[in-house]
Amino acid sequence: DQQVKQNSPSLSVQEGRISILNCDYTNSMFDYFLWYKKYPAEGPTFLISISSIKDKNEDGRFTVFLNKSAKHLSLHIVPSQPGDSAVYFCAARDDRGSTLGRLYFGRGTQLTVWP
Amino acid sequence: EPEVTQTPSHQVTQMGQEVILRCVPISNHLYFYWYRQILGQKVEFLVSFYNNEISEKSEIFDDQFSVERPDGSNFTLKIRSTKLEDSAMYFCASSDAGREWETQYFGPGTRLLVL
Repeated sequence: DQQVKQNSPSLSVQEGRISILNCDYTNSMFDYFLWYKKYPAEGPTFLISISSIKDKNEDGRFTVFLNKSAKHLSLHIVPSQPGDSAVYFCAARDDRGSTLGRLYFGRGTQLTVWP
Repeated sequence: EPEVTQTPSHQVTQMGQEVILRCVPISNHLYFYWYRQILGQKVEFLVSFYNNEISEKSEIFDDQFSVERPDGSNFTLKIRSTKLEDSAMYFCASSDAGREWETQYFGPGTRLLVL
């Protein structure tokens, strides 16, 4: 099942710089996308989401961009902070179909922010 | 802040034994989910549950798995006869609604090791 792909397993960024995490999807029925952050020994924590009717959603230092034609989304973190170091999961959902909230996850990207 | 809790945090069992993983979803939530993450792999959907019945289950969720909401607060996942390949981190999640932009909140997970 490769419906959601995060092709970069890791990303290393200096504190204060921008972190850009990428995600691609193959299922054109997906219409809602979420980013979760996960620290070791914890469950995924919701970060930010975007509906397919938008192309951008911003929340503080976090912005998600959606390019539907390319089936691509990205998460921008500006400025990056050491506390942002975690695994970031992209997830997608088909809200118009028969599934009840089922999330499809990517494999995750380990972000490391160094001082 | 309300959170999803899960017990136990770790469970070790022998192959063929039954295990029950427990979750207490956020109190006013109506939709419940189980996901799992095998080490090194992506988070995978197992089952969604609403109004005291299964809404959707994945191909992973075979006859060895069952879910139950035995009272007004707990949500359990039972594996009747565990296999080595059931070793994984199991996450419970809950949401206020099954779709329409609602976020799923995850618990910290139960690490299951089948020997």
